[in-house]
Amino acid sequence: RKEVEQDPGPFNVPEGATVAFNCTYSNSASQSFFWYRQDCRKEPKLLMSVYSSGNEDGRFTAQLNRASQYISLLIRDSKLSDSATYLCVVNANNNDMRFGAGTRLTVKP
Amino acid sequence: EADIYQTPRYLVIGTGKKITLECSQTMGHDKMYWYQQDPGMELHLIHYSYGVNSTEKGDLSSESTVSRIRTEHFPLTLESARPSHTSQYLCASSEWGYGYTFGSGTRLTVV
Repeated sequence: RKEVEQDPGPFNVPEGATVAFNCTYSNSASQSFFWYRQDCRKEPKLLMSVYSSGNEDGRFTAQLNRASQYISLLIRDSKLSDSATYLCVVNANNNDMRFGAGTRLTVKP
Repeated sequence: EADIYQTPRYLVIGTGKKITLECSQTMGHDKMYWYQQDPGMELHLIHYSYGVNSTEKGDLSSESTVSRIRTEHFPLTLESARPSHTSQYLCASSEWGYGYTFGSGTRLTVV
């Protein structure tokens, strides 16, 4: 079983839609959680950290459920520019990060 | 503005050549990483370092080697390039407990 698992998608949604990505992790000792965004043929870039109480940044909301070892990312009012692959990232025992395989999102006009 | 730099950005090279991919960061981070990623596929960790003179192999077996003589510099070397090494190589650095910052990557093609 992979340490970090994501639905690979692809998610194809119309502009303005709300879309949610889920991620599960296996290491119950994990303390740090992130969502990264990776555009085609580019490097991953930090989108947002995920805090225990949940956090919001504009149209993006991240949630953490430690009991279920589950992280989510909600994107409201999708824009064409949101099209990318979204990577779930969790820290490991040695504090290194483990990346999920990514969920691909395509927002269509 | 990038604080972690990778060169070259693109490299096309013949089979059997020795190549070194450069990675430098100006953030003073102790931890540095090399990932390999094929188009549309997930990231695979091939090497990492926790500081000067510290290097470890990652989850994915790789024929490459790395060195960490200076904190800011973490080059990756392939002694004899093969077509199977064709891929994108991404360097990253971090501080303890914080997310990673990635370089722009080197897209390597071995012909």
